[in-house]
Amino acid sequence: EPEVTQTPSHQVTQMGQEVILRCVPISNHLYFYWYRQILGQKVEFLVSFYNNEISEKSEIFDDQFSVERPDGSNFTLKIRSTKLEDSAMYFCAREQVPNTEAFFGQGTRLTVV
Amino acid sequence: RKEVEQDPGPFNVPEGATVAFNCTYSNSASQSFFWYRQDCRKEPKLLMSVYSSGNEDGRFTAQLNRASQYISLLIRDSKLSDSATYLCAVNSDNNNDMRFGAGTRLTVKP
Repeated sequence: EPEVTQTPSHQVTQMGQEVILRCVPISNHLYFYWYRQILGQKVEFLVSFYNNEISEKSEIFDDQFSVERPDGSNFTLKIRSTKLEDSAMYFCAREQVPNTEAFFGQGTRLTVV
Repeated sequence: RKEVEQDPGPFNVPEGATVAFNCTYSNSASQSFFWYRQDCRKEPKLLMSVYSSGNEDGRFTAQLNRASQYISLLIRDSKLSDSATYLCAVNSDNNNDMRFGAGTRLTVKP
């Protein structure tokens, strides 16, 4: 199975700045997800996105986060005002059918300084 | 109680050994179960789905026990290349959000 492509692979940003993480999935897939993994910790669900709408979101996904698929291809995660604790790997994932196997992109390492 | 729990390990085993991991889940409505493998600083990669009847893929066997709410992964004849962190993941049909365990770290030594 081909994986999704994420850009950038590494982003360093100053605290308080906005960042946009991008994911380019296979165009005919409808179910997308963002996960994050703080170094040394578990993979945590952030949000699921289906048919251009948020399907589910976790308690982590607060008002500083947003997702969209502005042009029908790129799937983005925006963090409005980054905090030090937002430093983590952010993974985009896709499913062909909901609640089945998820396939992950290679991740974006976000470092907030 | 955590949603998905795994023994963090580490498990250090010699080549050729058989090793088993367990994972428990708290949501009895869970319907889909998976094992992922994650190498250091890489993305999780699907190892296998776990079916009610149990399933096998080469040296890997996965089983599901709904009554006790756990899944297991058995690795036979372990190879050096099996060294990684093994994540279990659980999904419910009611919610479109897969939850992961913290992972079990395996090191296979020559």
